[in-house]
Amino acid sequence: AQSVTQLGSHVSVSEGALVLLRCNYSSSVPPYLFWYVQYPNQGLQLLLKYTSAATLVKGINGFEAEFKKSETSFHLTKPSAHMSDAAEYFCAVTLTAGNKLTFGGGTRVLVKP
Amino acid sequence: EPEVTQTPSHQVTQMGQEVILRCVPISNHLYFYWYRQILGQKVEFLVSFYNNEISEKSEIFDDQFSVERPDGSNFTLKIRSTKLEDSAMYFCASTGTSAYNEQFFGPGTRLTVL
Repeated sequence: AQSVTQLGSHVSVSEGALVLLRCNYSSSVPPYLFWYVQYPNQGLQLLLKYTSAATLVKGINGFEAEFKKSETSFHLTKPSAHMSDAAEYFCAVTLTAGNKLTFGGGTRVLVKP
Repeated sequence: EPEVTQTPSHQVTQMGQEVILRCVPISNHLYFYWYRQILGQKVEFLVSFYNNEISEKSEIFDDQFSVERPDGSNFTLKIRSTKLEDSAMYFCASTGTSAYNEQFFGPGTRLTVL
């Protein structure tokens, strides 16, 4: 069984500040991990994915995430927030190809000017 | 760039009515999924479909729900007798056989049950 916990349902950052969104997972086998972004009234868009290659994964829009097996974490960061980063971010896990994604509860990011 | 499409974007129905939500997955994909997101809650898995049969379903996916791939391009979710609590955004997703297992999501159908 797999599960995902995202700490903080809401995060507020100033434009230009660091964005840090936390994700911890529970999995019985090495997982595949993903971050998706959902802009208002839109579907889910893949930001980045971890697939057991490099532990530091770079995604779109300047986001990156680091897989830390010892901490069972896959936190998402962006060095400098932009107003367009205001959205909801979901961490998700799956165990094998073709299997369902299990999502965390989501973190809504508000960017202040 | 290929994308998953869903119709309609918004469906309003009366409690007890049947609804069919339609999805066109990416053409060379083999695995298909439905997820739902009740307003303000997390995205929840409903069902996965592979090789013309359900491969996994959640507790939510009871006898009121069914899925079908009627013609090799469409993938549908039917709710036989809608309840108020079925009001949610329903997302279709698809993936190929890549080990990266990235699922591509459609824009969703917002179902409102009155």
